Amino acid sequence: SAVISQKPSRDICQRGTSLTIQCQVDSQVTMMFWYRQQPGQSLTLIATANQGSEATYESGFVIDKFPISRPNLTFSTLTVSNMSPEDSSIYLCSVDLGAFQETQYFGPGTRLLVL
Amino acid sequence: GENVEQHPSTLSVQEGDSAVIKCTYSDSASNYFPWYKQELGKRPQLIIDIRSNVGEKKDQRIAVTLNKTAKHFSLHITETQPEDSAVYFCAAAVSSGSARQLTFGSGTQLTVLP
Repeated sequence: SAVISQKPSRDICQRGTSLTIQCQVDSQVTMMFWYRQQPGQSLTLIATANQGSEATYESGFVIDKFPISRPNLTFSTLTVSNMSPEDSSIYLCSVDLGAFQETQYFGPGTRLLVL
Repeated sequence: GENVEQHPSTLSVQEGDSAVIKCTYSDSASNYFPWYKQELGKRPQLIIDIRSNVGEKKDQRIAVTLNKTAKHFSLHITETQPEDSAVYFCAAAVSSGSARQLTFGSGTQLTVLP
């Protein structure tokens, strides 16, 4: 398995501002994923963050709104830009452990409230 | 893209009874099917998974069955206990060695009544 941490664990932000969420893993992983989980809802994939290349965004999510960095194999950041109350959600990162281990492990999540 | 439907959305059972949650998927290329349990305020935790080369997998009180022809898979929990109360998510993915994007079902809120 993997130990995954996220910072911050929660935040309350004003509309129009931006928040950067950090995800740290205790081992090197090829692929990291960012999900959004709105209150009482399922998990929706925002993007896949690959080290050394641009992130791949899912339909409905754009780089200008959710820029992602992946500077090395243990770390990634997701920025939620120009926030509005609709961005209030839990943001989770996850990792899988390589070519023949499909299991994804999730970080503890970041609870974001936008006022 | 893949679409995963999950039923029921809520399920209440008496302690000791069995619970069954069902999912269907649309992409016949999907070959990996995990189930996650999410307790209130916690992260999703993998409880069991199955690959398309097997039809059933068991782990103590939990089992998953897969019907590739019908494109559906189910989670079975026997002898339910109050600590089984949580939201359960199914997911499907095409595992190709380089990309494994999970598509999640909508979730089932399981309540085990003491």
